[in-house]
Amino acid sequence: ETGVTQSPTHLIKTRGQQVTLRCSSQSGHNTVSWYQQALGQGPQFIFQYYREEENGRGNFPPRFSGLQFPNYSSELNVNALELDDSALYLCASSIKQGHYNSPLHFGNGTRLTVT
Amino acid sequence: RKEVEQDPGPFNVPEGATVAFNCTYSNSASQSFFWYRQDCRKEPKLLMSVYSSGNEDGRFTAQLNRASQYISLLIRDSKLSDSATYLCVGSSGGSYIPTFGRGTSLIVHP
Repeated sequence: ETGVTQSPTHLIKTRGQQVTLRCSSQSGHNTVSWYQQALGQGPQFIFQYYREEENGRGNFPPRFSGLQFPNYSSELNVNALELDDSALYLCASSIKQGHYNSPLHFGNGTRLTVT
Repeated sequence: RKEVEQDPGPFNVPEGATVAFNCTYSNSASQSFFWYRQDCRKEPKLLMSVYSSGNEDGRFTAQLNRASQYISLLIRDSKLSDSATYLCVGSSGGSYIPTFGRGTSLIVHP
């Protein structure tokens, strides 16, 4: 069984730049969720994708966008980076079937630093 | 009010102690609850699901109290390796989006 993998593991960007983070879901999982975790805080929900469509969105501005591909892998794009975007970005996959939602399985995360 | 609230701690306990964490949730329609463990600078890992009837796994026991809208985690006979942050998760909204608390820090000392 292949787990959730994220790339890159670390990234340094300059304010105003754009970044793309990638995630491969665990085998058999059809849902991908993205979270932002600042130091000392819990993961904050950015959005979730199910069957290539956005299934829910947290309180993040439109410059945070995403995609899910037919193989259930996913991308998180952030435009016009701000210093406060510096955080650990976590991707998690899960199974959604009707009202059943399996627990989330997380990747190792991408640590983004904006200078 | 945040959807899922936890006391951030830290809880400082000696080895062998019993420690309990509570977590409150505001959405009475929440259906799924979990406890995750997160080690420093690592990703969260599922510790256990929380069922209406409670759930026990070795030294760990999770309980759900729907009337008071809280879930709890009890750790018996604490080990040094239990030192970590424990994240409470409830699902919210019609799309069952997992919402995390800020985590409770546990430090087990010799």
